[in-house]
Amino acid sequence: EVQLVESGGGLVRPGGSLSLSCAASGFTSSRHSMNWVRRAPGKGLEWVSSISWDSSSTSYADSVRGRFTISRDDAKSSLYLQMSSLRAEDTAVYFCTREGSTSCSTTSCYIDFWGQGTLVTVSS
Amino acid sequence: DIQMTQSPSTLSASVGDRVTITCRASQSISSWLAWYQQKPGQAPKLLIYMASSLQSGVPSRFSGSGSGTEFTLTISSLQPDDFATYYCQQYNSYPWTFGQGTKVEIK
Repeated sequence: EVQLVESGGGLVRPGGSLSLSCAASGFTSSRHSMNWVRRAPGKGLEWVSSISWDSSSTSYADSVRGRFTISRDDAKSSLYLQMSSLRAEDTAVYFCTREGSTSCSTTSCYIDFWGQGTLVTVSS
Repeated sequence: DIQMTQSPSTLSASVGDRVTITCRASQSISSWLAWYQQKPGQAPKLLIYMASSLQSGVPSRFSGSGSGTEFTLTISSLQPDDFATYYCQQYNSYPWTFGQGTKVEIK
């Protein structure tokens, strides 16, 4: 069974840093591109960042570029999101997601599994 | 960026109703569209990918159609478990973008 379990969320002050982790199990993580997607309170889903299956390519939303860094360690079946210079508008539930591996566009694939999410609250 | 516009934002329906949700892209995305269902406190769940392909394990009452810029998600006979929020998402190009969501409520 595919499982994605996020950790590392919590309360942080504006300007602070936080690191999220996602433990993957039930599949070979090195065969899939992975992503972070967030949902702010009362709002819809927002894509944050993606990393290719071989770590050769990363992409970021304009709202986080230069402040967030995505990485992965397939030996540990883990995905990470290092967040710095946090702002109130970064407050959200952050979901770790897996991309499918079939029926993909030239750039990416759909999300076929989501974790339960971890809450990040940026507040003084 | 490609903008995704869903309608309606909220939909009130009864068990057994046929329900249709529309998603429009600001430019052509071919068939690179997915639909997700999210219930309160739960992770989103993939329903449809490539505009019309049903994800394994998803009931056949869900169907998707469309290509280019206009897409629809149809629930042929609404069941109690289907009251949730539905999102479309384009994966034609980065940045990925989602529709704002359609909440399906009990009438």
